[in-house]
Amino acid sequence: QVQFVQSGAEVKKPGAAVRVSCRASGYTFKTYAIHWLRQAPGQRLEWMGWINAGNGDIKYSQNLQGRVIITRDTSANTVYMELSGLRSEDTAMYYCVRERAGTFDYGGQGTLVTVSS
Amino acid sequence: QTVVTQEPSVTVSPGGTVILTCASSTGAVTSGHRPNWFQQKPGQAPRPLIYSTSNKHSWTPARFSGSLLGGKAALTLSGVQPEDEAEYYCLLYSSGTGYVFGTGTKVTVL
Repeated sequence: QVQFVQSGAEVKKPGAAVRVSCRASGYTFKTYAIHWLRQAPGQRLEWMGWINAGNGDIKYSQNLQGRVIITRDTSANTVYMELSGLRSEDTAMYYCVRERAGTFDYGGQGTLVTVSS
Repeated sequence: QTVVTQEPSVTVSPGGTVILTCASSTGAVTSGHRPNWFQQKPGQAPRPLIYSTSNKHSWTPARFSGSLLGGKAALTLSGVQPEDEAEYYCLLYSSGTGYVFGTGTKVTVL
């Protein structure tokens, strides 16, 4: 069955960077894109960006351009999201979700990132 | 930047019907925006319900349906059940900017 396992919770100081991983299993990794979403406490969902796991094409949200980097390791069926220059507003749950041809279906359980001095 | 707007909250009686809408600041929503709908309950990850405007996943209850209505994407809940109480988000695609989530609608079943 399709499964995504995300890395564990992180606590970071302002200005630091965080890397969250999303390991996929149960399907052919390169045939789908992986998107990253986040949700600050009590706030709405925010789309962060995506990577085509096959050819590596990437697109980022304009809001996060310059601070977010999404990469993939096809040998490990894993996608990574790195967010730099962390500030308190980046405290959120971060989710990876699978997509193909505009269809979002399976995703990870979420990773809590807390930014605090 | 594109703003996607949804009703902040709606209240519906059990067994009733409610329509949630999703509007784009750039104009009419079309199938080209690839509308997806997600359901999110407190403390849980968002769960995809509808893709490509009106298609259901295997896990999507039959009482949920998606459409385009008056230039907006719409999610109709027919025969609402208590377990449908949740936040609902639409997600729209734009070739220039990628994807944008709507502001979310909180559905209360009362």
